[in-house]
Amino acid sequence: DTAVSQTPKYLVTQMGNDKSIKCEQNLGHDTMYWYKQDSKKFLKIMFSYNNKELIINETVPNRFSPKSPDKAHLNLHINSLELGDSAVYFCASSQDRLAGAYEQYFGPGTRLTVT
Amino acid sequence: SQQGEEDPQALSIQEGENATMNCSYKTSINNLQWYRQNSGRGLVHLILIRSNEREKHSGRLRVTLDTSKKSSSLLITASRAADTASYFCAMSSTDSWGKLQFGAGTQVVVTP
Repeated sequence: DTAVSQTPKYLVTQMGNDKSIKCEQNLGHDTMYWYKQDSKKFLKIMFSYNNKELIINETVPNRFSPKSPDKAHLNLHINSLELGDSAVYFCASSQDRLAGAYEQYFGPGTRLTVT
Repeated sequence: SQQGEEDPQALSIQEGENATMNCSYKTSINNLQWYRQNSGRGLVHLILIRSNEREKHSGRLRVTLDTSKKSSSLLITASRAADTASYFCAMSSTDSWGKLQFGAGTQVVVTP
């Protein structure tokens, strides 16, 4: 019954590897997001998709590539992982692309540790 | 750049006391939201206040918004140990409806 789910919850990998994080929402929402939360708990948006279409792409290195196969799923693939990529990554969804107008539902997060 | 700044960064109180935290922001906003994050968990939406509202209540939560001062406050009354969490304000600016910008959060510890 989880509204927004992410896998895996923990990811430990070495520099240079490629990894993916998966996200699914069962709320019927049109819009999904990826956020990165650093060690100081600062949360920053990375990407936003609305009905499978990319609508927000912040200044994120192109090693990060989101993919939305359908509006219920948004995956994040990261190439050539670097130490600075270590963080907690959150997926979220909202009813509509007007992020300020609607509450967002967050997944439990994926803690990525790059060694 | 970070839109919201929260004050204090950390707050320690005893059960039954009230907790107040403030959020200041830089540009004109549409709405402002507050979220809670328990340790090791995702964020949970608490309340949304629109730019034309001044105060909003939800259970033990009271949120105020002063657009002239570009600030908001969250008050938790009669706090409980279960309120221990980080609290974040988030807003979308009038020129960017599509994204929420979060403050750095206030870490609240409620001691039984």
